[in-house]
Amino acid sequence: DQQVKQNSPSLSVQEGRISILNCDYTNSMFDYFLWYKKYPAEGPTFLISISSIKDKNEDGRFTVFLNKSAKHLSLHIVPSQPGDSAVYFCAARRGSSNTGKLIFGQGTTLQVKP
Amino acid sequence: GAVVSQHPSWVICKSGTSVKIECRSLDFQATTMFWYRQFPKQSLMLMATSNEGSKATYEQGVEKDKFLINHASLTLSTLTVTSAHPEDSSFYICSASDRVDGYTFGSGTRLTVV
Repeated sequence: DQQVKQNSPSLSVQEGRISILNCDYTNSMFDYFLWYKKYPAEGPTFLISISSIKDKNEDGRFTVFLNKSAKHLSLHIVPSQPGDSAVYFCAARRGSSNTGKLIFGQGTTLQVKP
Repeated sequence: GAVVSQHPSWVICKSGTSVKIECRSLDFQATTMFWYRQFPKQSLMLMATSNEGSKATYEQGVEKDKFLINHASLTLSTLTVTSAHPEDSSFYICSASDRVDGYTFGSGTRLTVV
């Protein structure tokens, strides 16, 4: 049962344009959502997160939008840079504790072309 | 920022032998440690959650006698793959969490069983 889904395995955008990565979830009990960036043979690095009580969170070039009714979240990267090329994972957890377990999506490979 | 050191970064072992992977939080005390497994182009699948001094909680389908997890201190957790077989070949990642800084991932271990 894949509770967190990233249905687009890959995305290619031009440098300077917007990248939009999507994530859907099935468990309405999730309270917190996170986005991670991962390079091959490395561990994920944290990008941005959002609580279920909010619908938007912004940090520099990264913005995460949450639509609870649709059980959908998206990560916007503006403007996209070649260094953003990596695999992006969304993750979700129940509860407010930072020690709760994370459930990850399958990942989306982003390629930003110069 | 928080750093998690995971060793070794890669290991090749013979079928039937055991392999130990270490995960250390270098500058913080990890209340909880998580162990993940990732197959190529797939999601990070949570294997188990461990709290210092307690037995690990394994996810459904993960053999606890095969994947031994020890969380002896607030800064060290180990995963031992016992009697490894080629199907255990994968990328293993640990994540250490405290209540303040959230999740910090190790750089991962590529295990190849021949």
